[in-house]
Amino acid sequence: NAGVTQTPKFQVLKTGQSMTLQCAQDMNHEYMSWYRQDPGMGLRLIHYSVGAGITDQGEVPNGYNVSRSTTEDFPLRLLSAAPSQTSVYFCASSYETGGLYGYTFGSGTRLTVV
Amino acid sequence: KNEVEQSPQNLTAQEGEFITINCSYSVGISALHWLQQHPGGGIVSLFMLSSGKKKHGRLIATINIQEKHSSLHITASHPRDSAVYICAVRAGNQFYFGTGTSLTVIP
Repeated sequence: NAGVTQTPKFQVLKTGQSMTLQCAQDMNHEYMSWYRQDPGMGLRLIHYSVGAGITDQGEVPNGYNVSRSTTEDFPLRLLSAAPSQTSVYFCASSYETGGLYGYTFGSGTRLTVV
Repeated sequence: KNEVEQSPQNLTAQEGEFITINCSYSVGISALHWLQQHPGGGIVSLFMLSSGKKKHGRLIATINIQEKHSSLHITASHPRDSAVYICAVRAGNQFYFGTGTSLTVIP
């Protein structure tokens, strides 16, 4: 099925550990993005990419790295996890960058840092 | 400071009622999106608006660019409409989200 695939769905990390959240889409979308969702707050943009080889920071980029070596994949890396990064993470993609088409969201990754 | 404000935060309705959720924003936008998040957590894009009005089934979304305001209407509400509805605006390459309106429709 076409769509955005996020893995893993759940993860528990210890403070200081590193990990990569995977995001893949098979719709040939140019725009991909990562968000975190925390209780009482709206989704917040972490990083985004407007195409392969191009990434940029969103509203809350600190503590996260991204790369976009292919159109399909947009992994999010936590280099040294902190309890403040406990959140639900969503990846989303869109056909183009102007926001004129709907967005497709992944099913989310629930991350707990202890 | 929130670039996107939604109201109400919580809404309970009887099945069949007409529902309105409001969204106001403070930035210049290229598009406004309405999203639906189900209790299981999945997020679905309902509408993208840059002007005027769109309708899909029992859902209607309107936007007034001059007033920086959008509304999402649900006609003949049903318990399966129970979800969190999120307003999001696109400003350049940045995306700003409201905190959502939690809707519960009671049979």
